[in-house]
Amino acid sequence: NFMLIQPHSVSESPGKTVTISCTRRPGSIASNYVQWYQQRPGSSPTTVIYEDDQRPSGVPDRFSGSIDSSSNSASLTISGLKTEDEADYYCQSYDSDNHVFGGGTKLTVL
Amino acid sequence: QVQLQESGPGLVKPSETLSLTCIVSGGSVSSTNYYWGWIRQPPGKGLEWIGNIYYNGNTKYNPSLKTRVTISVDTSKNQFSLKLTSVSASDTALYYCARRYFYGSGSPFGPWGQGTLVTVSS
Repeated sequence: NFMLIQPHSVSESPGKTVTISCTRRPGSIASNYVQWYQQRPGSSPTTVIYEDDQRPSGVPDRFSGSIDSSSNSASLTISGLKTEDEADYYCQSYDSDNHVFGGGTKLTVL
Repeated sequence: QVQLQESGPGLVKPSETLSLTCIVSGGSVSSTNYYWGWIRQPPGKGLEWIGNIYYNGNTKYNPSLKTRVTISVDTSKNQFSLKLTSVSASDTALYYCARRYFYGSGSPFGPWGQGTLVTVSS
C-alpha cells in the first residue's frame, strides 16, 4: 500500500497562480497515473485532470497537471484564479488493484 | 448522459450491516466499458475508495475493508450494491457511487452520484 500526501490548505488571490502538490510514499509517482478531482462545498467530486496531465472536455485550460520524479510528486496548477475555483482538491492514483486518494487540499481564493 | 443515484438507510446500528444501492440511468451496468464503484467520505474528511465491480461480477476491494465488504451487480435492475458488515462509528460517512472507464489505470472516477449520508449510531 502507499499514501498520497497533500498540503492541508493553500490560499491565493484572484488572478494569481497556485500549485497543489501530491507526494507519493512509498513508491514512484511515475509508476501509475495521477488524477485530480475538484469538490466544491456540498457537491460531488468532478475530474479536473486525469492521466497526470490530461484535461477532460469542459475543464478550462487554466488547470494543468504535471509529474516531477525528482520530488516524487504530482502537481495541480491553477492559473488566473477565480473565486469559483475555491474548493477541495484531491489527487488519486492506483497500484495493485488499489485506488488511493490523497487527504485533500482546501483552496481558498481571497 | 449517465446518472447515478444512491439509496439506502441513513441510520445503521453498530455491529449491523450497512446496505446501499446505486441505481444507474442513462447507461447500462452491463456495459463492458466500465467499472462501477463505491467511495466514501467521513464528515469533514477526505475520500476513501471502497471497491469496484465489473459487469460480470468481478470485484476489487480496498485491502483495509476487504474482510467486511461485498459489492454485487444486478443487471436486470441496472443497479449495483454495497454491503458493509460489522459497522462502527468510524463507518459514518457520505457514500458515493461512481463509474470508471474500464480501459487504462489512469481512468478517473466519474460521474459520481450525489452521495448518501449513513450514520452509525444506536
